[in-house]
Amino acid sequence: EVQLVESGGGLVQPGGSLRLSCAASGFTFNIYAMSWVRQAPGKGLEWVSTISGSGGGTFYAGSVKGRFTISRDNSKNTLYLQMNSLRAEDTAVFYCAKVRSSSTGSSHFEYWGQGTLVTVSS
Amino acid sequence: QSVLTQPPSASGTPGQRVTISCSGRSSNIGSNTVNWYQQLPGTAPKLLIYSNDQRPSGVPDRFSGSKSGTSASLAISGLQSEDEADYYCAAWDDSLKVVFGGGTKLTVL
Repeated sequence: EVQLVESGGGLVQPGGSLRLSCAASGFTFNIYAMSWVRQAPGKGLEWVSTISGSGGGTFYAGSVKGRFTISRDNSKNTLYLQMNSLRAEDTAVFYCAKVRSSSTGSSHFEYWGQGTLVTVSS
Repeated sequence: QSVLTQPPSASGTPGQRVTISCSGRSSNIGSNTVNWYQQLPGTAPKLLIYSNDQRPSGVPDRFSGSKSGTSASLAISGLQSEDEADYYCAAWDDSLKVVFGGGTKLTVL
């Protein structure tokens, strides 16, 4: 059974940093691309970033490029999102999602975690 | 404002057929496949339709998807109360990003 468990969310001040983690199990982690998708309170889904199975390819939404860094540790079956220079508009539930293929160019999110809430506020 | 355009709301009575549209451009829907997600209240999104018209295992055949040109549609037949949820379309865009629709809130009257 595929499981994705996010952690690391919380309250952070504007300009601060936070690192999210997503522990994966139930599939061969290093084969599949992984993504982060966020949802602001009462709003729709917004794609944040995708990383290839090897970690060698990454893509970012324009709204987070230069501030967020996606990475993965295939030896630990864990996906990360390092978030710097956080803004109030980054407040959202962050979901990690398994991409159906090894390709980063896909919107086929086969499985989702339960999400972790990030609140940026002073 | 979302790149893919969906109606903000839709509704129907039990047993009816409802369709939700998703409009995009040649760079996204026009050249890549469309996926649909269902988000029940208070839960994480779930894959509902992939590759335009394919259902993952476990998704009832009441749900169907189609694509034509730069638009896609999700149809739900035999509407049930448990179908009340938010529905999102998504596609890869050739500018190297994933784009989502703004979501459609489905109400079962």
